[in-house]
Amino acid sequence: DQQVKQNSPSLSVQEGRISILNCDYTNSMFDYFLWYKKYPAEGPTFLISISSIKDKNEDGRFTVFLNKSAKHLSLHIVPSQPGDSAVYFCAASASSSNTGKLIFGQGTTLQVKP
Amino acid sequence: DSGVTQTPKHLITATGQRVTLRCSPRSGDLSVYWYQQSLDQGLQFLIQYYNGEERAKGNILERFSAQQFPDLHSELNLSSLELGDSALYFCASSVVGVMDTQYFGPGTRLTVL
Repeated sequence: DQQVKQNSPSLSVQEGRISILNCDYTNSMFDYFLWYKKYPAEGPTFLISISSIKDKNEDGRFTVFLNKSAKHLSLHIVPSQPGDSAVYFCAASASSSNTGKLIFGQGTTLQVKP
Repeated sequence: DSGVTQTPKHLITATGQRVTLRCSPRSGDLSVYWYQQSLDQGLQFLIQYYNGEERAKGNILERFSAQQFPDLHSELNLSSLELGDSALYFCASSVVGVMDTQYFGPGTRLTVL
């Protein structure tokens, strides 16, 4: 049972434009969400997080939006840069479990073309 | 550099063998996590420790075990290795272990021949 889904395996965007990566979840107990960026043969790098008490969080070029009623979150990257080309994972956890166990989506490969 | 270190970076071994992966968390982090990433699966949670105590278990096989030591470093022991255990194994750490950011190490690539 895939509790966190990233339905787009890949996305291609022109440099300078906006990249929008999407993530859906099914478990209504999830209340903390994170986005990670990953290069091949490296560990995931934390980008941005959001808790369910907010619907938006910004950090520089990265903004995460959370729509709890739709169980949907998205990561916006503006403007996109070639160095952003990587695999992006969304992850979710439930504080009610009293653990930090993260459930990851399958990832979306972003390619930013110069 | 996340501040989480993992050794070794690569490990090649044979079926039936036993290996130990090591992780040192970021300074100040009390919680350590282990994740597995294989080709056909995404990142799968294995186990979490907090200040030396096991806090959560995921789909960790009985052949696998882990511990967190008083100095907070952690080891993941994999025994009776099978071909299907070939994967990237990541360690992550965080401060409190609930609703906080996990920082990942560079991973150990395990190849079982």
